[in-house]
Amino acid sequence: GAVVSQHPSRVICKSGTSVKIECRSLDFQATTMFWYRQFPKQSLMLMATSNEGSKATYEQGVEKDKFLINHASLTLSTLTVTSAHPEDSSFYICSASGLGGTEAFFGQGTRLTVV
Amino acid sequence: LAKTTQPISMDSYEGQEVNITCSHNNIATNDYITWYQQFPSQGPRFIIQGYKTKVTNEVASLFIPADRKSSTLSLPRVSLSDTAVYYCLVGDRGTASKLTFGTGTRLQVTL
Repeated sequence: GAVVSQHPSRVICKSGTSVKIECRSLDFQATTMFWYRQFPKQSLMLMATSNEGSKATYEQGVEKDKFLINHASLTLSTLTVTSAHPEDSSFYICSASGLGGTEAFFGQGTRLTVV
Repeated sequence: LAKTTQPISMDSYEGQEVNITCSHNNIATNDYITWYQQFPSQGPRFIIQGYKTKVTNEVASLFIPADRKSSTLSLPRVSLSDTAVYYCLVGDRGTASKLTFGTGTRLQVTL
């Protein structure tokens, strides 16, 4: 099946710094990618929809200035956590589907720890 | 997006068949039912998708009654490696990726 790759898989950063997470669709083009966040023992929560060539759409309660999303090409979306704080520590997951696709493919996730 | 309800957890012994039922009373005409599997510290993995009646693949079967208000994921002869969280989702097939995840069912398989 289609492959979605995230990088890095794990990152530790100091409080106040910014961290960039990449999400790539390796063998298909994705005009839309989605970013989720998952806290321990909890379900995935949709954060935002990343649209190639246009602004991202954020879910209610998600700060767009804190979680910057850039979708510059049909195979790459990036999520930047700006001025990270310990409460931003979480598991971040992206997903994508191909044009007309009916199945979502997920990245392996990125474990962010802010110290 | 239709809300789903699943058991929080289930236990099974290796080799048994496991059936996980999901309720989705408000499913819309255009909605499909999709199940995902998630292992710890990994992204969800697609298992199976269906609209009505029965769908089977090499991994599982999905049973959907005529009223489509529920669905049952059937895992034949589970092994220890099937220990994971299983999510049932419903949504318009055209928005396959914008998914609203419920609590999921945590399946624990033991010897």
